[in-house]
Amino acid sequence: GQNIDQPTEMTATEGAIVQINCTYQTSGFNGLFWYQQHAGEAPTFLSYNVLDGLEEKGRFSSFLSRSKGYSYLLLKELQMKDSASYLCAVQDSNYQLIWGAGTKLIIKP
Amino acid sequence: GAVVSQHPSWVICKSGTSVKIECRSLDFQATTMFWYRQFPKQSLMLMATSNEGSKATYEQGVEKDKFLINHASLTLSTLTVTSAHPEDSSFYICSARDLAGDYNEQFFGPGTRLTVL
Repeated sequence: GQNIDQPTEMTATEGAIVQINCTYQTSGFNGLFWYQQHAGEAPTFLSYNVLDGLEEKGRFSSFLSRSKGYSYLLLKELQMKDSASYLCAVQDSNYQLIWGAGTKLIIKP
Repeated sequence: GAVVSQHPSWVICKSGTSVKIECRSLDFQATTMFWYRQFPKQSLMLMATSNEGSKATYEQGVEKDKFLINHASLTLSTLTVTSAHPEDSSFYICSARDLAGDYNEQFFGPGTRLTVL
């Protein structure tokens, strides 16, 4: 079956760095997405990885290792507004998005 | 980025009534739109894939007669929850894929919170 695992919840301090991991087992692979979702709102796109390596976009970076079925989202210089759920999603061979359950990130002052 | 609107943003209805939710892609054409449902503290659950001009593809366990989907144009898809019951209360979110986008990503509407009394 298809499966995506990510931690349920993480806590970090304002100004620090946090890494959210995602491991996946899917039928085929056509890219991995990270989305941010604030409570009561729809998800917003953060990053996309289809090749191995690190993609950097401002304070956020995303890494992919296809051989390991592994990705992480790295958030630097954490701000209170970064408190949200972070969703990992893999696009399978049918270009269908398979969603992880999301990681709730709590930022403390 | 591409913009997707959804209407209404929230609705309260009586049990047994039907509710229609609209999803529009405002600045791009979307041959494919997706409908999700999300319960509190849970992840997105794909309900169906809506294709312009053809029947929607429903995920296993989703009743097609209860959740009617119509994708009448390249910019509009509607979800009608028929004979709604309290267990249908949820956050419904649509998304559209912009094939002209850089990453083929899905853009999400703001969601519709449905409460059935």
